[in-house]
Amino acid sequence: GAGVSQTPSNKVTEKGKYVELRCDPISGHTALYWYRQSLGQGPEFLIYFQGTGAADDSGLPNDRFFAVRPEGSVSTLKIQRTERGDSAVYLCASSIPGGVEQFFGPGTRLTVL
Amino acid sequence: ELKVEQNPLFLSMQEGKNYTIYCNYSTTSDRLYWYRQDPGKSLESLFVLLSNGAVKQEGRLMASLDTKARLSTLHITAAVHDLSATYFCAQDKEGGSEKLVFGKGTKLTVNP
Repeated sequence: GAGVSQTPSNKVTEKGKYVELRCDPISGHTALYWYRQSLGQGPEFLIYFQGTGAADDSGLPNDRFFAVRPEGSVSTLKIQRTERGDSAVYLCASSIPGGVEQFFGPGTRLTVL
Repeated sequence: ELKVEQNPLFLSMQEGKNYTIYCNYSTTSDRLYWYRQDPGKSLESLFVLLSNGAVKQEGRLMASLDTKARLSTLHITAAVHDLSATYFCAQDKEGGSEKLVFGKGTKLTVNP
């Protein structure tokens, strides 16, 4: 079956620009997570959605980062006024209601020049 | 605050040898995960350990969980080159948001 998909796979932008990263979870998975992975590090949690609402956004580094999931399926991570330090791979994961296992997408590699 | 520490961070081993990767965590959560990541790829779930004394095996990999010691191990038996990858352990907090807290990863290289 189809797994978690993310688009684009790569995004190169200039400092100060706005970017949107998209995640399409596995069908029927109500929980959706965003993580950020810097080079040589483990993924770091950003935000968790249960359905349409953000249940935990404690990992968002600052107010330049925002995520939405308006219909409870696809989610978009939005980064305003990008900085070079935002360069990383952004991973999305989803899980079934009450499930313990998270299934990860292929990630979007963001490079801010 | 959940903290997860792995060691070693880098491991170079010869084919056919055995080795163990260690994962220490900071709280009493009983849920521990192991993931594999190949270069430029996403995370592949290997094991989910849900209770003290849990042991799971898949091929040449075996994972165990000791909640009293707050320790999980990933044991590699008779390593082969295809096992070369980065291995992450992660923990979450039952009853919380279930966000995963990852270790820094162990980069395993298996040499012929």
